[in-house]
Amino acid sequence: EAGVAQSPRYKIIEKRQSVAFWCNPISGHATLYWYQQILGQGPKLLIQFQNNGVVDDSQLPKDRFSAERLKGVDSTLKIQPAKLEDSAVYLCASSLVIPGLAGPDTQYFGPGTRLTVL
Amino acid sequence: RKEVEQDPGPFNVPEGATVAFNCTYSNSASQSFFWYRQDCRKEPKLLMSVYSSGNEDGRFTAQLNRASQYISLLIRDSKLSDSATYLCVVNKKGFQKLVFGTGTRLLVSP
Repeated sequence: EAGVAQSPRYKIIEKRQSVAFWCNPISGHATLYWYQQILGQGPKLLIQFQNNGVVDDSQLPKDRFSAERLKGVDSTLKIQPAKLEDSAVYLCASSLVIPGLAGPDTQYFGPGTRLTVL
Repeated sequence: RKEVEQDPGPFNVPEGATVAFNCTYSNSASQSFFWYRQDCRKEPKLLMSVYSSGNEDGRFTAQLNRASQYISLLIRDSKLSDSATYLCVVNKKGFQKLVFGTGTRLLVSP
């Protein structure tokens, strides 16, 4: 079974530039998550989708970050404009279970996109 | 106070040693608990869920103390391949949102 795919794997940009990350979850997984993992910290949830709807984006800095999952399958996360503190690994994860209907299901993570903002 | 707290380590142990990690959580509404493993420059992967009665998977034992709001992970007979960061993760009932601790780094040496 194919895992969660992400691209690009690495990205280096200058501050104030824009960047976009792409994620393709495991086939059939209704729930998709974007996490930010800063060096030395655990992953922090940015946004959670159920199919193509947003379930939780309370920790997404909406003045500069946006995400979409238009067809309920793959998703993009965009940062515009980037700041130095956005340097991190951006992890995408997916799971089968629909929120609220059952307990948490295993989340499967993609390899991440390592972003460096100079 | 952080929602999930862990000692970042690193814990340096020789092969064959037994090592234990603890994690505390602040939200008493947390219902589900997990340990994830993250290798250097890799994505997190589920190691094991943590059940109220405690559970074991080979050399790994996880325990939960709801009264004190802490979770533990015990690794027996450490292997070099156990070197990684171990992330404590909690979840509230009815929510798919996982809250991760900062992780505890384990280094097993020959």
